Amino acid sequence: GAGVSQSPSNKVTEKGKDVELRCDPISGHTALYWYRQSLGQGLEFLIYFQGNSAPDKSGLPSDRFSAERTGGSVSTLTIQRTQQEDSAVYLCASSLQAGDTEAFFGQGTRLTVV
Amino acid sequence: AQSVTQLDSQVPVFEEAPVELRCNYSSSVSVYLFWYVQYPNQGLQLLLKYLSGSTLVESINGFEAEFNKSQTSFHLRKPSVHISDTAEYFCAVRSTNAGKSTFGDGTTLTVKP
Repeated sequence: GAGVSQSPSNKVTEKGKDVELRCDPISGHTALYWYRQSLGQGLEFLIYFQGNSAPDKSGLPSDRFSAERTGGSVSTLTIQRTQQEDSAVYLCASSLQAGDTEAFFGQGTRLTVV
Repeated sequence: AQSVTQLDSQVPVFEEAPVELRCNYSSSVSVYLFWYVQYPNQGLQLLLKYLSGSTLVESINGFEAEFNKSQTSFHLRKPSVHISDTAEYFCAVRSTNAGKSTFGDGTTLTVKP
């Protein structure tokens, strides 16, 4: 597709369950980012992939959060043993390269933990 | 490390009035500066950016922002707003040698008729 695609668009899960969120970046973009947007707050950086380099995981809030990027393209953010405070919109963005100054955002996945 | 403070969480304004959305940042290194806009039920879009050169940057829809290094500010302005400018606006900074951006908490601009 032409833009960054995220799925699902909405996810409701029970507390304690694991969830996987998917991001398809723009074709050819080597940099991929995950952010979290909680209600009424700004975007919180989670993790950043650049090509084959080790990802910058400095923003992951706990060891329940992990992400991988297969083949330098699709990325999956996994949250294990979800908690209510994990409820947020999870945004994925990609850019052509690490030094590129414009990141293109997906529509996000709204996660609700009940 | 960087931080961004958007001083107003909500800005209500009447159509055709001027508006200023304030953004201050802190950083120990050189940064790029951005404003993103999120229209209702849409994803974030880049509105404008400051990389280097002229401190005044403009968007195609009439917004402008001025980089003020001494005051560490990057306020967004528009001389006459439209109903269609109603959206949430995010200020962001990024180190010139790192890929991740730090965002402010956002300012909700509501333009009333």
